Amino acid sequence: GAGVSQSPRYKVAKRGQDVALRCDPISGHVSLFWYQQALGQGPEFLTYFQNEAQLDKSGLPSDRFFAERPEGSVSTLKIQRTQQEDSAVYLCASSWPSGQGGTEAFFGQGTRLTVV
Amino acid sequence: AQSVSQHNHHVILSEAASLELGCNYSYGGTVNLFWYVQYPGQHLQLLLKYFSGDPLVKGIKGFEAEFIKSKFSFNLRKPSVQWSDTAEYFCAVNNNNAGNMLTFGGGTRLMVKP
Repeated sequence: GAGVSQSPRYKVAKRGQDVALRCDPISGHVSLFWYQQALGQGPEFLTYFQNEAQLDKSGLPSDRFFAERPEGSVSTLKIQRTQQEDSAVYLCASSWPSGQGGTEAFFGQGTRLTVV
Repeated sequence: AQSVSQHNHHVILSEAASLELGCNYSYGGTVNLFWYVQYPGQHLQLLLKYFSGDPLVKGIKGFEAEFIKSKFSFNLRKPSVQWSDTAEYFCAVNNNNAGNMLTFGGGTRLMVKP
């Protein structure tokens, strides 16, 4: 597809359930990012991949959050034992790398996770 | 650590009114600055960006922004808004490292009355 694709668009999970959120980046994009957007707030960085290497996971809020990108394309964000505070929209973005930080990131539509 | 502040959380304007949305960032080094827009039900889209050069940046749909380094600001402007500009606007910054991760402001929700 032409853009970043995320699935599912909506997910309702019972507290304590594990969830997996998928991101299909734009073909050929080396960099992939996950962001968390709570209601009424701006997106907050979670983690970053360059190809299959997870270069920064400083934004992951707890060890219940895990992300992978085993073949350098599709990525999965997994949340174990979900809690109510995990309810948010999870955004994926991809970009070409650049020698410096001035590269446009293309965003998917996000997955809205509601933990009940 | 860098942070981004957007001073207006909600703005309501009538069509043809002028728009200015404030954005201030805190980071002492070289930065790249962005404005993203999110129309209802759609994904975040880049409106404009500043990397270097002319501090007055022109974007899509008649938007522009001015980088004022001394004020750590990157305010978004449009001389005459349209109903179709109703959306949420996010200012973002990254600090020119290889990671490219963005730090976003809290967003400004703009409603334009027809």
